[in-house]
Order: sequence, then C-alpha cells, then structure tokens
Amino acid sequence: QSALTQPASVSGSPGQSITISCTGTSSAVGGYNFVSWYQHHPGKAPKLIIYQISNRPSGISNRFSGSKSGNTASLTISGLQAEDEADYYCSSYTSSSPYVFGTGTKVTVV
Amino acid sequence: EVQLVESGGGLVQPGGSLRLSCAASGFTFSNYWMSWVRQAPGKGLEWVANIKQDGSETYYVDSVNEKYYGDSVKGRFTISRDNARNSLYLQMNSLKADDTAIYYCARGPLKGDAFDMWGQGTMVIVSS
Repeated sequence: QSALTQPASVSGSPGQSITISCTGTSSAVGGYNFVSWYQHHPGKAPKLIIYQISNRPSGISNRFSGSKSGNTASLTISGLQAEDEADYYCSSYTSSSPYVFGTGTKVTVV
Repeated sequence: EVQLVESGGGLVQPGGSLRLSCAASGFTFSNYWMSWVRQAPGKGLEWVANIKQDGSETYYVDSVNEKYYGDSVKGRFTISRDNARNSLYLQMNSLKADDTAIYYCARGPLKGDAFDMWGQGTMVIVSS
C-alpha cells in the first residue's frame, strides 16, 4: 500500500476553516474505520489529534474534527489559529500494512 | 508527566550498526504496544516496527514489497523492550543511506491503530 494522498499545502486566514483530505483505496481508508490524524511542528514530537476517523483524544481542541466518505478521510480545522501552522499527516490501517501514513500537508496561517 | 525520550542516533557509515533507545516515563510502560516510526529528510512518516506489551510479538515494515511481517522475517532491524527499565530499543544493522531519518518512539498502536504519544526523535545519518 503506497502512502495515502494528501494535498501538499493548505492555507487559511485566522478564524477561517480549512479541510485537509486524505485519499486512499478500498483496501485503505475506505475499508476500515481506523483513520488517525497527527499534527507535527517540525523539531517537536508529533501529536495525535484524531483517531478512529472522528474521535479526539483528551485535551485536543474541538476545533479539530474528522470525517470519512468512501475512500477519502478529511480533517477540518475551524477557527484557524496561528498555532495551527504545522504539518498534518493522516494514517490508516490497510490490508497490506497496518500503519500507512499520508504524504503530509503543510498548513499555513496567512 | 508522560514522556518518551529517544537517544542513540548519530552518524554511521553504510553497513554499520546503531542501537536506538527510548526511555518512557509517566505511564505503565508494560501495558502498551510500542512502535518506531521514522521520517526521512523532506519525506513523510513511515512506520518501522512494533512490539507487544510482553515482547512476545513483533512486526516490521517491508518498504520494498509494501508488506509487514511477523518476527520470523526480521530483516536488518530488531525491535525489543525491557519493561523493568521502561525502555524500548531498535537495533539497526547493515544500515543503508535510505535509512537516514529521524526515528521516533511512539506509544501504540491503540485506539484503532493510532499512536497516542511520541518522542521528539533521534536523528540517524548513514553516510560515508
């Protein structure tokens, strides 16, 4: 299973909402409810922000939400803040490898 | 405070070996699967290996064939753990330039194949 496809970059203004897509196949993303999202500020530890498509770990802002339709999962960040500027990765269970990550999306707050 | 701290990275020649360590604190280490995930320069995240709570099961990525294997096919890397020392290890042998990456220790999988805690990583550079 190749890496899941994400847009290379997404930008938005403070207060806006943005959505990052994560496209796989029926054997990844589409076939399972095991989709996670991670926020990564370079030089720091990645942080789990969504698991099982739409669940937020304790302490994660409700500005982050996840969903899935068919073979595409999505992460929406509402009320965009400067601190949200980071790299975001999706991850999914697949039939060939249990943990495949997306290509990554750089979020810029302009 | 729940924390994972990696160490052991550095510059190594092709064909050489390194042993990475991850010190866990702030949680009951022996209750969790643990994993190594790496990020090559300018690239995305790649799961490398994981190990069950008691060390009885290990799994590894096979990047070339895009498969994963049980511990009967370990390849060049070996994941292990010492629950008494709250530590995770990754022994890397026959290193190649393609192994150059930041290696992260991560807690999990859990919560549906997610990794809910990560360290800041240790850099491995394979170069002559």
